[in-house]
Amino acid sequence: KNQVEQSPQSLIILEGKNCTLQCNYTVSPFSNLRWYKQDTGRGPVSLTIMTFSENTKSNGRYTATLDADTKQSSLHITASQLSDSASYICVVRTQGGSEKLVFGKGTKLTVNP
Amino acid sequence: EAGVVQSPRYKIIEKKQPVAFWCNPISGHNTLYWYRQNLGQGPELLIRYENEEAVDDSQLPKDRFSAERLKGVDSTLKIQPAELGDSAVYLCASSVGHLEGYTFGSGTRLTVV
Repeated sequence: KNQVEQSPQSLIILEGKNCTLQCNYTVSPFSNLRWYKQDTGRGPVSLTIMTFSENTKSNGRYTATLDADTKQSSLHITASQLSDSASYICVVRTQGGSEKLVFGKGTKLTVNP
Repeated sequence: EAGVVQSPRYKIIEKKQPVAFWCNPISGHNTLYWYRQNLGQGPELLIRYENEEAVDDSQLPKDRFSAERLKGVDSTLKIQPAELGDSAVYLCASSVGHLEGYTFGSGTRLTVV
């Protein structure tokens, strides 16, 4: 069964600190993986997209990694800001005859001053 | 560019009443999606349109849910009659092609009392 598991479910950190969010997937066949940021009351917004051959991709203070062998991805946030408080959703796309997106449940990040 | 526009932002109705949500996708985006997102969960696909054709409605509860995209642009999602378990955020997304460059709207938060 295609699944995307994210951890931790929630995380509270102090402003300025770094954090890492995890995403493990069993989706097959794999096409790509996206990390989305979803602010409260808003729709998800794409942060990064990674294909099979990419190991690391950065978008400002956000750095995503992908290990296609272990089927794991991480999102590292550097020097967190209050505006980073949001849910972060990992989404894996399958490929083949019945392509679809498989969503994780998200990690709720709270950055406190 | 206005992005994906959804209305209303919030809706509170009594159970057994009908409700409708409206979505205006990004201009030129042929693919339109309706998702349902329960609290603390990732979005779940309800229906996907390619222009005016519903090409994937396998997850749409057809006994009470209906959707239309008559001219291949705006779309309406309807629930009749609503049940308590329908309380969720209903997200609309659009893309140029299936699974490419998703853009989500801000969603409609439905509360059924």
